[in-house]
Amino acid sequence: DAGVIQSPRHEVTEMGQEVTLRCKPISGHNSLFWYRQTMMRGLELLIYFNNNVPIDDSGMPEDRFSAKMPNASFSTLKIQPSEPRDSAVYFCASSLNLGGETQYFGPGTRLLVL
Amino acid sequence: GESVGLHLPTLSVQEGDNSIINCAYSNSASDYFIWYKQESGKGPQFIIDIRSNMDKRQGQRVTVLLNKTVKHLSLQIAATQPGDSAVYFCAENNNAGNMLTFGGGTRLMVKP
Repeated sequence: DAGVIQSPRHEVTEMGQEVTLRCKPISGHNSLFWYRQTMMRGLELLIYFNNNVPIDDSGMPEDRFSAKMPNASFSTLKIQPSEPRDSAVYFCASSLNLGGETQYFGPGTRLLVL
Repeated sequence: GESVGLHLPTLSVQEGDNSIINCAYSNSASDYFIWYKQESGKGPQFIIDIRSNMDKRQGQRVTVLLNKTVKHLSLQIAATQPGDSAVYFCAENNNAGNMLTFGGGTRLMVKP
């Protein structure tokens, strides 16, 4: 079975541009998580969804960040406008449900904002 | 200028030796714990989990020990191999938000 799928794997953009990261969770998983990983702060939870509904977005750093999950098999994380400090690896993870469930991570999107 | 960032503790072991990676967790109400392995350029990969009603769980070459009294979790890797070189994260489910809280990670380096 396919794991969590993320695209693109690498993204290089210029400051001020819009960036959209995509995620396809594991089929049948009801919860989806977006993380950011940097050397400075490690792995940070940005937002998570359950049954396509955003549950907690307190980790989203600024209004420049937004996330959607229009259906059970697709989610996007958008940064508009992007800034150099947004450069990081962004991971999507999914789990069967919330609460005491293993999260399975995608390969990540490495974002570089120049 | 000086580069500031997370300073990952590093464990260096000889190939074939056993490795023990430790983690202190923060929430005494946490009831589910996971160890993840992250290789360079990849996402964290599930290794093994344990629930709070257990104090030990074994997998293939890996054992997780849970000491709830002192809020300590450890991952033991038997006969460590070069392919085990990675950063290892512990994570706890803190119930309050139904989400995992990740530790800072430990880098395991295996010397051939």
